[in-house]
Amino acid sequence: ETGVTQSPTHLIKTRGQQVTLRCSSQSGHNTVSWYQQALGQGPQFIFQYYREEENGRGNFPPRFSGLQFPNYSSELNVNALELDDSALYLCASSLAPSGSFSNEQFFGPGTRLTVL
Amino acid sequence: EDQVTQSPEALRLQEGESSSLNCSYTVSGLRGLFWYRQDPGKGPEFLFTLYSAGEEKEKERLKATLTKKESFLHITAPKPEDSATYLCAVQDPIQGAQKLVFGQGTRLTINP
Repeated sequence: ETGVTQSPTHLIKTRGQQVTLRCSSQSGHNTVSWYQQALGQGPQFIFQYYREEENGRGNFPPRFSGLQFPNYSSELNVNALELDDSALYLCASSLAPSGSFSNEQFFGPGTRLTVL
Repeated sequence: EDQVTQSPEALRLQEGESSSLNCSYTVSGLRGLFWYRQDPGKGPEFLFTLYSAGEEKEKERLKATLTKKESFLHITAPKPEDSATYLCAVQDPIQGAQKLVFGQGTRLTINP
């Protein structure tokens, strides 16, 4: 069983550019979540995809968008990059919730994005 | 709004010196409290899930406990390899999604 993988590991962009980050979920997991983690802070929820549809979004503007594909892979796209977008971007895969309780989310190693 | 507060922000211990990390939370209807370990520059590694007050889980030198308002991560006789940031999170059901709300973490350093 393979874990969650992300690419690239590091990325440097300039303000105003666009970026695509990629994630491959753990086999069998039909839910993927994306988080942004600033230095010294806990991760913040960006959005979640279930069966290729967005089913929840945190307090992030529309220039943050995503896609989920049938083969357990997904993408996070960020347009019009700003300096404050510099952070570690994490994806996490899980099974859909069963009843009232949540399932564990398993995180990838992250992509470190630097915006200059 | 759901909130998670962890204390202390940083903790330095000698090898073998046991201690506890605290996670206080406010959430309407707990659906799970999660503990993760994060090494510098890496993604969080899942440790435990707790669902109801009174529940306890153990893994090697770590034991997590849960009350109605807080969770503790007890570390017994720690080793230098236990040095990491420990994150706790609660699940906030937003639009049916499994959104995790994280605390800021406790940075634990174990000196040999």
